[in-house]
Amino acid sequence: DQQVKQNSPSLSVQEGRISILNCDYTNSMFDYFLWYKKYPAEGPTFLISISSIKDKNEDGRFTVFLNKSAKHLSLHIVPSQPGDSAVYFCAAQGGSEKLVFGKGTKLTVNP
Amino acid sequence: DAGITQSPRHKVTETGTPVTLRCHQTENHRYMYWYRQDPGHGLRLIHYSYGVKDTDKGEVSDGYSVSRSKTEDFLLTLESATSSQTSVYFCAISESTYEQYFGPGTRLTVT
Repeated sequence: DQQVKQNSPSLSVQEGRISILNCDYTNSMFDYFLWYKKYPAEGPTFLISISSIKDKNEDGRFTVFLNKSAKHLSLHIVPSQPGDSAVYFCAAQGGSEKLVFGKGTKLTVNP
Repeated sequence: DAGITQSPRHKVTETGTPVTLRCHQTENHRYMYWYRQDPGHGLRLIHYSYGVKDTDKGEVSDGYSVSRSKTEDFLLTLESATSSQTSVYFCAISESTYEQYFGPGTRLTVT
């Protein structure tokens, strides 16, 4: 039973445009959500997070939106750059010290 | 970057042999985690530790054991390696129950 779902395995966008990565969750106990970025042959790096008491968190070019009623969050990257090409993992946490990860979305930003 | 190292970085071993992977941190963080990453599965938690000698199972713990005798070291042992344990293994650390910081990974091949 997959509690965190990233339904798009891949996404391709043009440099300078917006990238939108989506994530859905099923567990109502989740109260903290994170996005990680992963380059090949490296470990995942923390990108941005959001608490369930908020609906938006922004950090530079990266914004995460949370829609609790729909159990949906999204990561917006504006403007997209070729260096943003990576695999992005959505993760969720609630009631424990464990994170539950989605399967990831591979973003390709074309020059 | 959080001070996390993993050793070895690459290993090839034969089916049936025991294998131990090491995670070392210099951040004095309380929590340590072992994940495996496989195509189509994202990051899956194997075991984690919430203090010296305090460990618990994750979602894919069968065939793995862990030990944490010092705050800075978390060992993952494959008791009798199988081909299904061919994977990339990541260690992560955290001080709180929120953001986790990952090591560079160990690529293990079981032939």
